[in-house]
Parts: sequence; C-alpha cells; structure tokens
Amino acid sequence: QKEVEQNSGPLSVPEGAIASLNCTYSDRGSQSFFWYRQYSGKSPELIMFIYSNGDKEDGRFTAQLNKASQYVSLLIRDSQPSDSATYLCAVTGGGNKLTFGTGTQLKVEL
Amino acid sequence: KAGVTQTPRYLIKTRGQQVTLSCSPISGHRSVSWYQQTPGQGLQFLFEYFSETQRNKGNFPGRFSGRQFSNSRSEMNVSTLELGDSALYLCASSFTGTGGSGNTIYFGEGSWLTVV
Repeated sequence: QKEVEQNSGPLSVPEGAIASLNCTYSDRGSQSFFWYRQYSGKSPELIMFIYSNGDKEDGRFTAQLNKASQYVSLLIRDSQPSDSATYLCAVTGGGNKLTFGTGTQLKVEL
Repeated sequence: KAGVTQTPRYLIKTRGQQVTLSCSPISGHRSVSWYQQTPGQGLQFLFEYFSETQRNKGNFPGRFSGRQFSNSRSEMNVSTLELGDSALYLCASSFTGTGGSGNTIYFGEGSWLTVV
C-alpha cells in the first residue's frame, strides 16, 4: 500500500465548477498535510496546508482533513483554466520530510 | 521577501562526473530539504538539514550527499553520475525543524539535471 494515494486523473471540470481532489494516507502518525500545485516544467507551489481536523478556507480553496478516516481533500471553487495543473498531496510525520502522492492532473475546460 | 533560490537552474553532465547543486533558503528559515522528481518515481525525499545537521535521510545511495552551512545555505552533491540521475532536484525551505502548526514548506524553482 502506498503511503499517500491520489487518483492520477485527469479530472476534468468545466470552468466555474467546483473541483474536488482527494488524498488518503496510511500513517496515522501524520501531522501536517499539504497541497501543492505544479504546472508542467515548474516546481511545486504551496496552495494550502492543514493540521487540524475540519475545514480550512483560503480564497477559492478549501482543504478538508479527517484524521479518523485518514483522508484529506482540496476543493477549488469557481475553477478557472489557469487552475489546470497537477495537484500534489503531501504529508509529514512531525518533521519536514514530505511524503508525496503521485498527483492528480486537473483540467478545467472552457 | 526572496523565495528559495537554487543554482544552477539547468545543467548537463556526463556519466561518471559529479555535480554540486546549491540552495539558499528563505531568509530566517533554518531547515532545508532536498527532493528528486522524475516522471517514473515522482517526488522523493533525499535528505533534510537543520542547523547544519542532517536530521533525516531518504532511501538513496551514498552517491547522494549534502551539507548545510552556518548561514543555512545548503549544497547537495551527486558523485559518479548515472543516466538515471537525470531529474529535477528541488530544495525546500522551512522555518522550524518540527512539524505542526505554521510550519509551511516552500520549494525553490529546482535544478534540472540531465546526465548524458
């Protein structure tokens, strides 16, 4: 079983819709959870991080964490074509070692 | 506020050579981590340094090494390069050495290494 699992996609949503990206992790000791966006040929860009159960909102982005279910998600409201990228879920166990999923490719269609 | 700076951005090396990559973290950040990204393996952790000490190491051969200086700048070295070392090498910077609230981790633009 992979430590961090994501659906590779592609996930296609129409412009203006809500994109929902999901991630599960296997280590119950995981403490911090990160979502990065990566455009092709570029480095990962931090979108959000969350460490407490519940929701965390930042602009059009909402991260949701459920430690009991070992599940973290990212919602993107009012999706724009510029949101088309690969979204990487990453977790840490208390230090700064990030364990990444393989990423979900999001395509926002006009 | 300057971000994480990596140099060089692009380089081509020959099999058997060695390479040194440099990373300057965000001002005030004391933790520097290195990652390798390849299409086949994704993003994999190499090692982390905090206050000049290696705190954590990934599952890479001894050809991969690193160090951190007193000003928190870090270098990683790969000796005896192999074709499979061709990858994007990413440096990540963080303020603290522990996880938990507020410990955001930012990446530099990366160094693209091609081994021929």
